[in-house]
This record gives sequence, structure tokens and C-alpha cells, in this order.
Amino acid sequence: RKEVEQDPGPFNVPEGATVAFNCTYSNSASQSFFWYRQDCRKEPKLLMSVYSSGNEDGRFTAQLNRASQYISLLIRDSKLSDSATYLCVVGGGYQKVTFGIGTKLQVIP
Amino acid sequence: SQTIHQWPATLVQPVGSPLSLECTVEGTSNPNLYWYRQAAGRGLQLLFYSVGIGQISSEVPQNLSASRPQDRQFILSSKKLLLSDSGFYLCAGQGPYTDTQYFGPGTRLTVL
Repeated sequence: RKEVEQDPGPFNVPEGATVAFNCTYSNSASQSFFWYRQDCRKEPKLLMSVYSSGNEDGRFTAQLNRASQYISLLIRDSKLSDSATYLCVVGGGYQKVTFGIGTKLQVIP
Repeated sequence: SQTIHQWPATLVQPVGSPLSLECTVEGTSNPNLYWYRQAAGRGLQLLFYSVGIGQISSEVPQNLSASRPQDRQFILSSKKLLLSDSGFYLCAGQGPYTDTQYFGPGTRLTVL
């Protein structure tokens, strides 16, 4: 089993739709969780950290389920500019983190 | 906040030629530093990481090496490039006392 697994997609959704991505991780001792966004041919950029209590930033909501070992990202009211690849990242502390392969989102007019 | 600088942005090199990519960090001291490679359509592969000057951990045995001659400088090298070394090379910095990584703009390397 891979350390961090994501559905690579692509997810094709119309503008205004709500879309959700899940990511599962294998190491139950993982302590830190993130979602990054990567635009085509660009570096990944931090979208949001994922806390045990869940967190929300505008149209984006992230959740952590430690019992089932997955994190999720919900995007409401999708915009064309949300089209990108979303990377799930899981860490074990203050050193290495593991990146998922990413889920590609295409928002269609 | 920290800023990661990388250059060059793109590079085309012949097989068998040497490589040197430099990464510098601004805005923080004693960061953890990382080199990743992303092949076309693939995820990020961790190549090396460093927790301090002269301290390098290699994740994948291959044709590359890394060095950290200064606290905020991280260099990726190769003596002889292979076709399989083509990819998007990303430097990332983290910390101290944080687990969030920030990336430089990357170098797109094509080996012909």
C-alpha cells in the first residue's frame, strides 16, 4: 500500500459545482496534513493545513479522519481558476513529508 | 516568511554532461532543505534532504548528489547526466519549528 494515495482524476466539473477529493494515508502515526495546489508547470503552493478539528478558508474546507486515515478537501462554488492539481501531503514530524500523486481538477465553463 | 530561490528556470543538457542546480533560502535560519524531482505526469519524488550544513540524507540511490555548503544554500549535482534525469527539479525549505514546506519555482531539466 502506498504511503499516501489519491485518485489522479481528472475530475471535470462545471462552474459553480461542489467537488470533493479524498486522500488516504497508511501511517497511523502521521502528525501533519496539508493540501497543496499545483498549477501546470509550476511549483506546488500551500493551500491549507488540515487540523483535527477541520478547517475552512472561504470556499475550501479540509477535514481529517484519523480513525479511517483519510483527509478530504471540499471546494464549493467552483471557479475556472480552481483548475489545478491538488496534492495531499502527510508528515510524521518536523522532517520528511510524503506527497500524493495529486488529483487533477478541471472546472468547465 | 521564507522565500526559496532556484535557477535556472529551464535547462537543456546533453547526456553525459555535468549538472549543478543551486537553491538559496531567504527569510529564515537553519531550515530543513529538500530536493524533489517530478517526472512528467508523476508525483513528487524526494531525492535528498538536509537538516544542517554538511548533513545530507539520500532517499533514492541514483546518479545525483547534493551538498549544503552554507546554512541557506543547497546544491544538486551530477557528474554525468542520463536521459532519465530529465524532469522538474524542486527545492523546498521548511522550518525551523514548523512542518510546512515552501517551494522554489523549480528548474525544468531536459537531457537530450
